[in-house]
Amino acid sequence: EAGVTQSPTHLIKTRGQQATLRCSPISGHTSVYWYQQALGLGLQFLLWYDEGEERNRGNFPPRFSGRQFPNYSSELNVNALELEDSALYLCASSHGTSGGTDTQYFGPGTRLTVL
Amino acid sequence: QKEVEQNSGPLSVPEGAIASLNCTYSDRGSQSFFWYRQYSGKSPELIMFIYSNGDKEDGRFTAQLNKASQYVSLLIRDSQPSDSATYLCAVIGDDKIIFGKGTRLHILP
Repeated sequence: EAGVTQSPTHLIKTRGQQATLRCSPISGHTSVYWYQQALGLGLQFLLWYDEGEERNRGNFPPRFSGRQFPNYSSELNVNALELEDSALYLCASSHGTSGGTDTQYFGPGTRLTVL
Repeated sequence: QKEVEQNSGPLSVPEGAIASLNCTYSDRGSQSFFWYRQYSGKSPELIMFIYSNGDKEDGRFTAQLNKASQYVSLLIRDSQPSDSATYLCAVIGDDKIIFGKGTRLHILP
């Protein structure tokens, strides 16, 4: 069974640009979660999508947004990039059957660097 | 502000000994508890989850949950150099997951 996949592996942008990160969940999983892990900091919850709907979001500004497609894959968009957005962005997926309490499995991450 | 606290370490443990990792959480309504291992530069991988008070064993790993005291721990028996990593505690409550900042574990050969 294939795991969670993310693309691209690395992304380099300049301040003010927009970044789009993509995630494909494990087959059969309907929930997708996005996290930011900045250097020296813990995992910060960004967004949770299930069945195409945004179910919850963390304490991030509105320039962090995303969507989930009918095939359950997901995009994370970051507008007006700032230097402090440089981080590893992790996507996780779960079965989504228990209202957000399911075990989450992580993808390899996208390393975003903002210059 | 709901919080999950872990000692950042590093925790140094001799090879073959028991490593004990602890995590406390502030939300008494938390329902699900997870331990993830993260090697440097890699994404977290699930080790164990626990929902009920008491111990849960899986191979060399034992998770312990005490909801009254609001802590969850992970014991690693017969520690191996390959266990050297950062261990993340995660707690779910109110449809939101909160991760601790992790404890760095170093197994001394």
